[in-house]
Amino acid sequence: DQQVKQNSPSLSVQEGRISILNCDYTNSMFDYFLWYKKYPAEGPTFLISISSIKDKNEDGRFTVFLNKSAKHLSLHIVPSQPGDSAVYFCAASAGNNDMRFGAGTRLTVKP
Amino acid sequence: ETGVTQTPRHLVMGMTNKKSLKCEQHLGHNAMYWYKQSAKKPLELMFVYSLEERVENNSVPSRFSPECPNSSHLFLHLHTLQPEDSALYLCASSRSGDSGYTFGSGTRLTVV
Repeated sequence: DQQVKQNSPSLSVQEGRISILNCDYTNSMFDYFLWYKKYPAEGPTFLISISSIKDKNEDGRFTVFLNKSAKHLSLHIVPSQPGDSAVYFCAASAGNNDMRFGAGTRLTVKP
Repeated sequence: ETGVTQTPRHLVMGMTNKKSLKCEQHLGHNAMYWYKQSAKKPLELMFVYSLEERVENNSVPSRFSPECPNSSHLFLHLHTLQPEDSALYLCASSRSGDSGYTFGSGTRLTVV
């Protein structure tokens, strides 16, 4: 079953604007959430994470928001840059060696 | 260089062939993983090795056989695959219990 869902397969934004990527999960045991970024012909690379004890984590242009009651998290990129164009995977873990990933959202940032 | 190296990068094999994918890490991690990425589908966890012991995953067909000879190396042995097994196979590693993974670049497998 798909415990982590990214319902938007693609997103296109203009350079300089905000990109918002969304992710929903169903397993209430998940307590750690991550975003990975993937360029073509490369493996996913870690971008930013958040623990379930927080509702926001910020790192430069990237901010992840967690809404535990809604089982929803989002990644905000401000301002978006053409180099941000990639596939973004949401992932969740329950603290064991089993991380679940969403299907990914392809972000295109237009100059 | 990500720290996790996968070979080969690309592989084309017939359904009757036997081949192996290799993954190597020198990050001091003690858990290694095989993931399958099919188009428009979530990354699927195939196998986990933690401290060189395999965590069973009963949903993976037996035509996929993992091997972890030591904490730095992981193999995925393939035999009598089907065309629907064509996908990107990603290896990852972590410190056991640590949720931060380092991924390899993957092997793009095509079964003809």
